[in-house]
Amino acid sequence: KAGVTQTPRYLIKTRGQQVTLSCSPISGHRSVSWYQQTPGQGLQFLFEYFSETQRNKGNFPGRFSGRQFSNSRSEMNVSTLELGDSALYLCASSFTAPGFTSYEQYFGPGTRLTVT
Amino acid sequence: QQQVKQSPQSLIVQKGGISIINCAYENTAFDYFPWYQQFPGKGPALLIAIRPDVSEKKEGRFTISFNKSAKQFSLHIMDSQPGDSATYFCAASSGDDKIIFGKGTRLHILP
Repeated sequence: KAGVTQTPRYLIKTRGQQVTLSCSPISGHRSVSWYQQTPGQGLQFLFEYFSETQRNKGNFPGRFSGRQFSNSRSEMNVSTLELGDSALYLCASSFTAPGFTSYEQYFGPGTRLTVT
Repeated sequence: QQQVKQSPQSLIVQKGGISIINCAYENTAFDYFPWYQQFPGKGPALLIAIRPDVSEKKEGRFTISFNKSAKQFSLHIMDSQPGDSATYFCAASSGDDKIIFGKGTRLHILP
């Protein structure tokens, strides 16, 4: 079974631009979560989708948005990029939603975003 | 109250030794405590997880010890190997709420 895939793997953008990152979960998984990882803040939760519905949202500004499609693939968008948005963006998928005893997250390799 | 405090930030252990990483939390509603292992250039990988109805869970050389009254849990890596050198994250969540991660521990096993 293929793992979680994220595209692109690396991205360089200029401040003020917008960016869209893509995540394809493991086949059959319906929950997709997004995280921002930086050396200073560690892993911070952005949002979680289950069956196309956003179920949880972290403490990030409205410039960060996401969506999930009917095939469970997910995208996140960051508008008006700032230098501080430079980070590794990780996507994780799970077969069940958080709260189920069988809940287990599987992470993708991440997209390294650099804002200049 | 939503924080998970992880220590130490970095750890150096001799090959064959025991690596111990500790985490503490405040939110008594947390009911799922996973540990993740991350190698450079890779995403975190679920290593082992525990729920508060048990005090210990062992999988191979990895053991989670859970102390509900102290609101602490720890990861023990027995017979540590150079291949265990990675960053380890503890985490916690409550019901269907988001997972909160610790800041991570960089573990280096000396050959």
